[in-house]
Amino acid sequence: GDSVTQMEGPVTLSEEAFLTINCTYTATGYPSLFWYVQYPGEGLQLLLKATKADDKGSNKGFEATYRKETTSFHLEKGSVQVSDSAVYFCALSDQRAYTNAGKSTFGDGTTLTVKP
Amino acid sequence: NAGVTQTPKFQVLKTGQSMTLQCAQDMNHEYMSWYRQDPGMGLRLIHYSVGAGITDQGEVPNGYNVSRSTTEDFPLRLLSAAPSQTSVYFCASSRDDGGNQPQHFGDGTRLSIL
Repeated sequence: GDSVTQMEGPVTLSEEAFLTINCTYTATGYPSLFWYVQYPGEGLQLLLKATKADDKGSNKGFEATYRKETTSFHLEKGSVQVSDSAVYFCALSDQRAYTNAGKSTFGDGTTLTVKP
Repeated sequence: NAGVTQTPKFQVLKTGQSMTLQCAQDMNHEYMSWYRQDPGMGLRLIHYSVGAGITDQGEVPNGYNVSRSTTEDFPLRLLSAAPSQTSVYFCASSRDDGGNQPQHFGDGTRLSIL
């Protein structure tokens, strides 16, 4: 079945540091890829997505590129802020209509703490 | 602009009790899902629905029932609560668009089983 593997956390950075959170996947079909962010006490929110190979998703200074050859979707940000402290989830969704059904497969999440 | 609304936000139950977690969405989404979130384990799919009257099991369905009589509502029932069901439960919805659409999540129900 499908699976998503994220780098283990927690990750602690100083403000303005560069962030990379690794994500690799295995999928039997052709997936869409997502990054979600979860702030304390809240549900997950979409951060960015990519739906085909070599697409780059971006939002709020975060970027991730859909790499089919390496089955990866690593999240990056050039300069993190304290407000970026949250849990980040990588996820995939199968694009095949008969298996999609709105389901997603999630990684275990990576906790990011940014210190001033 | 409510999105996905879950109630209650917190609940404490005794082993063996039953209860229903409510989920409603106002975006006319076809798909709805229930997940549980446990420390270090990401989100695991419990049940999902592709439309009113149609539900199916996810990865961890045992001990839970669902029904979907309307597009808007997708309640999750715990039949006989067990301590292993202590978790944070999230309801999500999404539009039918070939897997390209993200899921929209509620704020969760934090459930403790004593």
